[in-house]
Amino acid sequence: QKEVEQNSGPLSVPEGAIASLNCTYSDRVSQSFFWYRQYSGKSPELIMSIYSNGDKEDGRFTAQLNKASQYVSLLIRDSQPSDSATYLCAVNRGVDYKLSFGAGTTVTVRA
Amino acid sequence: SAVISQKPSRDICQRGTSLTIQCQVDSQVTMMFWYRQQPGQSLTLIATANQGSEATYESGFVIDKFPISRPNLTFSTLTVSNLSPEDSSIYLCSVEGTSGSTDTQYFGPGTRLTVL
Repeated sequence: QKEVEQNSGPLSVPEGAIASLNCTYSDRVSQSFFWYRQYSGKSPELIMSIYSNGDKEDGRFTAQLNKASQYVSLLIRDSQPSDSATYLCAVNRGVDYKLSFGAGTTVTVRA
Repeated sequence: SAVISQKPSRDICQRGTSLTIQCQVDSQVTMMFWYRQQPGQSLTLIATANQGSEATYESGFVIDKFPISRPNLTFSTLTVSNLSPEDSSIYLCSVEGTSGSTDTQYFGPGTRLTVL
């Protein structure tokens, strides 16, 4: 089992819709979780972090964490064409800032 | 978050040669990391570079192939040696950072390497 698994893409959503991205992780000691956005040809950009169970909202983005189920998700509300990118789920490995990354989910927002 | 730069941004190299990638950050950081991102793939950690000590390599990566220097708290280099076409990737450096009260990493712009 991979350390971090994301729902396979690509995910295509119409403009204005909600994009839902899912991520599961295998290491129960993981305490903090991140979503990075990577535009084609660019480096990953941190957009959300979460470490407490429940929801965390930042603008149009909502991260959800359920440690009991080892599950973290990202919702993008009112999706815009500028949200078209690959979204990487990352999990803190508990040692020296190290992160484990999922394979990424590519989102395309159709105008 | 810190401002991170990498040089070169891209390069085309012949097999058997080496490429050294530089990573510069605008503030002092303890932890710097080097990643490889192969085409269409996610990020794979190559090694952690700490100032004043040897780099720590992840499974599958060795110092002879990926020597790393960390001469001070704002700079690191990664050399990819004896290049083969399989080394064609994006190489990214990242540094420790904080998001809220959580430790995380911030990435440089990357170096796109093509090996012919």
